[in-house]
Amino acid sequence: NAGVTQTPKFQVLKTGQSMTLQCAQDMNHNSMYWYRQDPGMGLRLIYYSASEGTTDKGEVPNGYNVSRLNKREFSLRLESAAPSQTSVYFCASKRTSGSSEQFFGPGTRLTVL
Amino acid sequence: GQQLNQSPQSMFIQEGEDVSMNCTSSSIFNTWLWYKQDPGEGPVLLIALYKAGELTSNGRLTAQFGITRKDSFLNISASIPSDVGIYFCAGPPNYNTDKLIFGTGTRLQVFP
Repeated sequence: NAGVTQTPKFQVLKTGQSMTLQCAQDMNHNSMYWYRQDPGMGLRLIYYSASEGTTDKGEVPNGYNVSRLNKREFSLRLESAAPSQTSVYFCASKRTSGSSEQFFGPGTRLTVL
Repeated sequence: GQQLNQSPQSMFIQEGEDVSMNCTSSSIFNTWLWYKQDPGEGPVLLIALYKAGELTSNGRLTAQFGITRKDSFLNISASIPSDVGIYFCAGPPNYNTDKLIFGTGTRLQVFP
């Protein structure tokens, strides 16, 4: 099993450009998450999907949209990138609603110039 | 909102030393998770704790669920260079197991 995979691994954008970060998991997990990690801060939740067909805002959703394409895939879109969105983005997944244990992908390092 | 405070923020130790770090909250948690993040990688789950007072080991790592349910502790025995990284505690806020709150991490450096 590959676990949680993310593409791309690195990306540089100019202000105002758009892009989509891709995430897929092969563990048959129901819930999926997008976090951002900034220096000196812990992980902050952007959006999550508790099950296929549902999405909910997290702590820092402004400037982002998500799509739960199917049970395996959960994408994060930046419609008009801003320098404040320079960060490391992590996708995670979780087995069931009764468990708290989340499993993370390797991250996407995004720089917005 | 609920916050998790980790201490110390960073540690610089000699290989072979034991390490202790903790995570505290102003409110009760019913689950504590400990993650390790290697440089340039995503967090990896080390230990999960589900009951107050629970003590769980994973190799040289031992974690405890504090009896007040407002804290948790992680110990690493006989540290080695590959223990370098950032250690995060995490827990579900307000018994909502769909989400996690993360501490700001303890950065560990191990010198040979």
